[in-house]
Amino acid sequence: DGGITQSPKYLFRKEGQNVTLSCEQNLNHDAMYWYRQDPGQGLRLIYYSQIVNDFQKGDIAEGYSVSREKKESFPLTVTSAQKNPTAFYLCASSIAGYLDNEQFFGPGTRLTVL
Amino acid sequence: AQSVSQHNHHVILSEAASLELGCNYSYGGTVNLFWYVQYPGQHLQLLLKYFSGDPLVKGIKGFEAEFIKSKFSFNLRKPSVQWSDTAEYFCAVMGNNDMRFGAGTRLTVKP
Repeated sequence: DGGITQSPKYLFRKEGQNVTLSCEQNLNHDAMYWYRQDPGQGLRLIYYSQIVNDFQKGDIAEGYSVSREKKESFPLTVTSAQKNPTAFYLCASSIAGYLDNEQFFGPGTRLTVL
Repeated sequence: AQSVSQHNHHVILSEAASLELGCNYSYGGTVNLFWYVQYPGQHLQLLLKYFSGDPLVKGIKGFEAEFIKSKFSFNLRKPSVQWSDTAEYFCAVMGNNDMRFGAGTRLTVKP
């Protein structure tokens, strides 16, 4: 059953701690993306990766880091430098290219920083 | 940077009513346009897209959208909504290698 998985669904962390959100896809897609969704603001791009071992910053990369060591995996680390980390995080992937292909989304992870 | 505006934050309709959700963008060059939908408890998924050709695009579940270049708009329409159309709808615009999503419109269809 092909798709994108994100884990966990809900995540709670204390302020000042780094936390890593998982994103895995078995669609054989080259490109992967991380978005942040806040009420009334739609989706904002954090980081994207068009190919393994390569990634670029999106609009709101500050306080986040990513890695792309495997085609299937694109974990996102929310660092203590991120000023307002509580949000809903969505991972997506697409066949190839830069954002103009259909993106397939995961179920999301809701992060709450206490 | 370009922006995408969805003017309606929450729309409430009765079943069989017609729907039109507005989407306007600011980029003046060539654009690719998308509508995504998120049903309650489900993943965000593509409803329809426009890259080129006929500006009237048909998508899944009876939805369509019209690209009007002169108005920088890509409004989503459905002639008769169903209770199952209750969801959040996001317009997205890609121009000059920059992808932007609108804030979303929540649609509630009353049975």
